[in-house]
Amino acid sequence: ETGVTQTPRHLVMGMTNKKSLKCEQHLGHNAMYWYKQSAKKPLELMFVYNFKEQTENNSVPSRFSPECPNSSHLFLHLHTLQPEDSALYLCASSQDPAPGRGYQPQHFGDGTRLSIL
Amino acid sequence: SQQGEEDPQALSIQEGENATMNCSYKTSINNLQWYRQNSGRGLVHLILIRSNEREKHSGRLRVTLDTSKKSSSLLITASRAADTASYFCATDATGSQGNLIFGKGTKLSVKP
Repeated sequence: ETGVTQTPRHLVMGMTNKKSLKCEQHLGHNAMYWYKQSAKKPLELMFVYNFKEQTENNSVPSRFSPECPNSSHLFLHLHTLQPEDSALYLCASSQDPAPGRGYQPQHFGDGTRLSIL
Repeated sequence: SQQGEEDPQALSIQEGENATMNCSYKTSINNLQWYRQNSGRGLVHLILIRSNEREKHSGRLRVTLDTSKKSSSLLITASRAADTASYFCATDATGSQGNLIFGKGTKLSVKP
């Protein structure tokens, strides 16, 4: 059982569609993350929010737009995606990461499997 | 750039055998973590070892860390079919914001 819930679990969309992925955590964490997982590639960090503020944008194309209204909810808005954006999108949460502290295990949701037609 | 790299990429063993997976990384770290991912699911945190620790145990898991060689190993003893999953190491580089960098993972298959 996970304290991080992602919806939907599967999403098929055309390149011109607009959709949103949702993530909710019930662990009292104050950092949330979006990752992209593609076949045969390392997990790619996309965005980090710490206390609702975006602290990292890992050179993600603007067709991905994150939103963090509070420490428990995280959204990823999708618009005009490309076929290469098909992947598993994972959300995670942790206690706040801080330089030099390091030791913050992340708790993951089960992901949204996104397919772009 | 990729920080952690697991070896082997795939490992197939019989139930009851031990499974050893290795991870190498490139820069100084605060800690190293191991995660497991079952097919179609998210990652699950297994164990964290800090840079000043050399060995850590959790149940059937044993993790070692050699900072001089920038490497870690994960040993699963007396493996079970339920251990079938992908295993990832993740490092938290010194001077970073505490964000993790994951390797490509080792796909472990335990045959009953």
